[in-house]
Amino acid sequence: SQTIHQWPATLVQPVGSPLSLECTVEGTSNPNLYWYRQAAGRGLQLLFYSVGIGQISSEVPQNLSASRPQDRQFILSSKKLLLSDSGFYLCAWSVLAPNEQFFGPGTRLTVL
Amino acid sequence: AQTVTQSQPEMSVQEAETVTLSCTYDTSESNYYLFWYKQPPSRQMILVIRQEAYKQQNATENRFSVNFQKAAKSFSLKISDSQLGDTAMYFCASSRVGSSNTGKLIFGQGTTLQVKP
Repeated sequence: SQTIHQWPATLVQPVGSPLSLECTVEGTSNPNLYWYRQAAGRGLQLLFYSVGIGQISSEVPQNLSASRPQDRQFILSSKKLLLSDSGFYLCAWSVLAPNEQFFGPGTRLTVL
Repeated sequence: AQTVTQSQPEMSVQEAETVTLSCTYDTSESNYYLFWYKQPPSRQMILVIRQEAYKQQNATENRFSVNFQKAAKSFSLKISDSQLGDTAMYFCASSRVGSSNTGKLIFGQGTTLQVKP
């Protein structure tokens, strides 16, 4: 069966520090991968998605970047965190048609 | 562009009763998928139910069923015999298929459902 992992689960970082969040998927090949951000009590904002190794599409301009160095690994990064980067970050994977996405447990990021 | 609208920010229901969450969407696609996701206080996103637009029969998963009205572009979720564990935020989502399919989901703003004992 397929599983998706995210780490760390919780992170507190100072403003201006770098960020690296990691997501890995097991049990499937060539998945589509997605990074979302969610403010407390709010909806999901799609940040990046990837349809293959090295292929990254950005949905909104921001202080973050994403990379996919391996088929089942998706990394979210920042060189210098802003207060506005605080939030709950979710990684998800899917295969095309029926497009249902499966989500990881998320990372709660607090920037102080 | 596809859009998904959930007009009920918050709802509540008594345990064992039935509740319906509303969702409308807009798309120019002839075929697409619709989904309901549940996000309990743990914040883990869980797929509740999926509907393929070309299928007229409404999808059902145990106590969860949908009322899919394609012409009206409406996709409501009915929860029967509500349980305390159904307390969560519910998101409606749509996705296109076909040659331009990237697998992206368009999410609604969410409806917070509280089940009261």
